[in-house]
Parts: sequence; structure tokens; C-alpha cells
Amino acid sequence: KQEVTQIPAALSVPEGENLVLNCSFTDSAIYNLQWFRQDPGKGLTSLLLIQSSQREQTSGRLNASLDKSSGRSTLYIAASQPGDSATYLCAGKYMEYGNKLVFGAGTILRVKS
Amino acid sequence: GAGVSQSPRYKVAKRGQDVALRCDPISGHVSLFWYQQALGQGPEFLTYFQNEAQLDKSGLPSDRFFAERPEGSVSTLKIQRTQQEDSAVYLCASSQGQVNDYTFGSGTRLTVV
Repeated sequence: KQEVTQIPAALSVPEGENLVLNCSFTDSAIYNLQWFRQDPGKGLTSLLLIQSSQREQTSGRLNASLDKSSGRSTLYIAASQPGDSATYLCAGKYMEYGNKLVFGAGTILRVKS
Repeated sequence: GAGVSQSPRYKVAKRGQDVALRCDPISGHVSLFWYQQALGQGPEFLTYFQNEAQLDKSGLPSDRFFAERPEGSVSTLKIQRTQQEDSAVYLCASSQGQVNDYTFGSGTRLTVV
């Protein structure tokens, strides 16, 4: 069974700090990995999608990396802002197990002003 | 529409009551997914449609759960004889194909009392 683990479960940082969120997955036969943001009471917003053939993706202050051999992905947030406060979820897609995403439990991020 | 629309946003059901949750995906999106998100957890896969065909229902927790997408557009998730453990946020997502980004709706928060 595929499992996705995220650490830390919660993180509180002062505004302006650079931070890294970690995601690990048990099955290296991953098709792609996606990072999402979830605000309280809201759905998920896709941040970055990394295909298995890629090493990283960047969007603005966000950079996500993927290392299939070690089963890890990281989301780097530069110069954090209070508006970045949310829950961040990573999810792996495994085509051999059907067209579905396997999610981690998320990291709750709080950026203090 | 511009996004994935789910209704109702909130539903309170008495134990044993049947409920129906609606998802209106982005126009033209072939793939539609239902996920269940318990409090403090990541979303868990329930079922997947490609057009009107339900290709994967391996995540449905019991035979009380039923989903349909008869015309390949709007989908309904029905839960019969609701139990307290069914209390969760039910998320719907759609995508153009198998490799594209997912767009999630805001979810339906179901509370069974």
C-alpha cells in the first residue's frame, strides 16, 4: 500500500523566514507528485506539479523538488508572508494503482507578522 | 463554469438518514474524482469517473456509498443510512485528462448527529 508522510505536522515561523516542508513516499513507482494548499473551510489549490521525469518545479516564491530514488519531495517557500499561512498537502499519483492521488496528512503552517 | 462547484456546502444529517452530495465539474473535464477528508487528515480517495464510466470505486468504504455520473458531467455521491463515522468533508475534483492538474471544489462538510 502506498503511503505518503509529511513532516513536520505543524510549523510556526516569523515573517520573512525561508522554510522547507518535507514529504516522503513509500513507492518509488510514482507517476507525479503534486503540492496543494488548503485554507480553512476551503478546497485544495494546486501549487506545483512535478512529473516523475522532472527534478523540480518553481512558481514565484515556491520551489518543489522530487527525488524518486530516496522517496522524497520538498516544498521550499522563500521569504514567507502571513498570507502563506495554510495547510500544505503533498500527493503522489501511481498509475499502476489507478488514476488517483494518495495524500499525506499535511503540514499546518503559520507565518507570524 | 469557472471552477468545480459542490453543493450543499454544509449538511447536517440525523443518523440513519440518506444524503446526496452534488458535484458540478469544470465544463469539458473528462475525469472526476471524489475524496473524503476527515478532520486533521489528508483526503482519501473514494471513486473515479472517466466521462460517465466509473472506472475505480475501490475507495468507497461500504455498500452504503454510491456515486454516479450518468451524462458524463454532474456527479452525485449518495450515502445511505448515514453513520457518525461518515462525518467528514467530501471533496470533488476534476481534470482534463489523466496527467493534468486537478481542480478541487470547496467541498461539502457532512455532519451526522
